[in-house]
Parts: sequence; C-alpha cells; structure tokens
Amino acid sequence: GESVGLHLPTLSVQEGDNSIINCAYSNSASDYFIWYKQESGKGPQFIIDIRSNMDKRQGQRVTVLLNKTVKHLSLQIAATQPGDSAVYFCAENPRAGGFKTIFGAGTRLFVKA
Amino acid sequence: KAGVTQTPRYLIKTRGQQVTLSCSPISGHRSVSWYQQTPGQGLQFLFEYFSETQRNKGNFPGRFSGRQFSNSRSEMNVSTLELGDSALYLCASSLTLYSGGTGELFFGEGSRLTVL
Repeated sequence: GESVGLHLPTLSVQEGDNSIINCAYSNSASDYFIWYKQESGKGPQFIIDIRSNMDKRQGQRVTVLLNKTVKHLSLQIAATQPGDSAVYFCAENPRAGGFKTIFGAGTRLFVKA
Repeated sequence: KAGVTQTPRYLIKTRGQQVTLSCSPISGHRSVSWYQQTPGQGLQFLFEYFSETQRNKGNFPGRFSGRQFSNSRSEMNVSTLELGDSALYLCASSLTLYSGGTGELFFGEGSRLTVL
C-alpha cells in the first residue's frame, strides 16, 4: 500500500547548526504534504505544509522542500535549538480521497548543547 | 480555545476485555481521525469520521470500531483485547473535510492503553 518513509531514524546535530530531515513518499496522487513535530508525552503538532503545486515553502526557521520528480520531501530547520529535540513525522494526504493522512515512521532529532 | 481532549489518559486492561476511548474535538471541528501509535509501527491510521459518518478506514481488524456523535465527539472501541493492542491511541480533529480546507490535524495527547 501507500507509504511515506524516512531515510534516517535518528539525527543528532549541534545547537546552532542547521538540520535536514528527509522523507520519501510513494503515492504520486498525494497533493498535500505536512510535517509534524511530536515532543515526549504529547500528540504531534503541525509545523509546516506544502501543496504539490509548490516546490518550496518557508516558515519561521523552517523550510519544506518538495521534489515531485523523485517523490522526496525534506524539512530544514535553521539554527537548531534544544527545544527542537523531538520526533518529526512527514505525512501525506491525497485530498481527493478526503483527509486520510498517512504518516511516515518518524525521525528523532537530538540537539546537542 | 480548548484543544482536543482525550479520556482516559492512561488505562490498563487484560486480554479479552474491551475498552472505549473518548475524544472531544476542538469546537467547530467536524472531522475526527483516530491513530494508533506504537514504537514499531509508528502512527497507523484507524478511521476518520465526519458528520457522524465513517469516511475512511485503515487496515485494522473488525475488533476496532468507532463512532461519532452529533456534537462531533467521537469514541473508539476495541473488543477482545490482545497484547499487541498496547499502544498510544491518538485522536485528531480538523476544521473541514471535502471543502478545500488545509487538512491540518490537531491532536490530543492520547490515551495510553496497556494490555496485560
């Protein structure tokens, strides 16, 4: 079935460095992609989204890149802070079928002080 | 504005029992989705409800069921519990469905079920 996968299960970065979390998706019909952040003991929280008619979108310290040719999604976090330590999930939503959001496996980000 | 509320937060059951979990969405949100989260399988989609109707269903056995009430509150039930049902069950609400909304999900903190 469709799946959204992540290249790395864990990522460790130095405080102040930039972080890049990668994701591959398989459903070419998906037209909406989202990144969520999950901190320990909490539910996932929305970070940023991008539609399939875009290849880049920027937020506050975060940028999402979408490469539809190779079905690849990435999340870039600038000047990573200790508070960014969490599990990050990419997710896809083939909105033509309603809001059945499919999540990837997750990448745990460790920020070293 | 209150967030998504899930009850109970923690519960322990034994094999063969059944459990009912409750979710109150953000006021005004009519779509409610349920996910099972385990360390090995990540976030797995269970079902999605809108206006008391199940719109989408994931690949789970019939022991997993749910419903949505007219006030958009939702419940899910798991019957004949198995050890493998131990997980964090997350509920998420969203503002619109099939109406051009963003699809952003707002999650509760989950109900952690342990099956002994």
